[in-house]
Amino acid sequence: DGGITQSPKYLFRKEGQNVTLSCEQNLNHDAMYWYRQDPGQGLRLIYYSQIVNDFQKGDIAEGYSVSREKKESFPLTVTSAQKNPTAFYLCASRAGQGDFAGTEAFFGQGTRLTVV
Amino acid sequence: AQKITQTQPGMFVQEKEAVTLDCTYDTSDPSYGLFWYKQPSSGEMIFLIYQGSYDQQNATEGRYSLNFQKARKSANLVISASQLGDSAMYFCAMREWGGGATNKLIFGTGTLLAVQP
Repeated sequence: DGGITQSPKYLFRKEGQNVTLSCEQNLNHDAMYWYRQDPGQGLRLIYYSQIVNDFQKGDIAEGYSVSREKKESFPLTVTSAQKNPTAFYLCASRAGQGDFAGTEAFFGQGTRLTVV
Repeated sequence: AQKITQTQPGMFVQEKEAVTLDCTYDTSDPSYGLFWYKQPSSGEMIFLIYQGSYDQQNATEGRYSLNFQKARKSANLVISASQLGDSAMYFCAMREWGGGATNKLIFGTGTLLAVQP
């Protein structure tokens, strides 16, 4: 089955530690996105990538880093510089490099990160 | 700058009635797409409906329709014949795709819909 897989579903991190969230898609989509969602709030864009080996900062990129070495993978690292990392993280992908082709984005099931 | 505004934090509707969820947007790009997503308590994001900026007619998908008023920059979601399973968070989203567009996909803050029996 084609889709987007995020792992793990739940993640606990000690303060001061870096942690990497996985996002893999087998939809052959060019564009991928990372969002952060806090309780009762909307999705805020962290990073996005329109093509392999290229990515852009979103609205809240500070304290996060990404890589896009393969088309199907877009891991997100939450670094110790992120002061309030506890949140629900959603990964999405979309067909098309940036033109009209491929409209809606497809989402993974999310990773709930908790700092302990 | 690209922006989505949802002014209704929460809404109640009686089962079988229709409900309208508001969404306004701001963009300087003539080419853009508007989306609505549903997020149940499980957290997954479910795509509902899409409207392109050049589409002449309002989009419809089953019980969902989009009331697109381009001059007013609004893209309200109408759910007809509400069902208990419609209780969820609803998000409006936009992506610019013109020549100079960033292709960012941004979301509003959402509206929590509760369908009452």
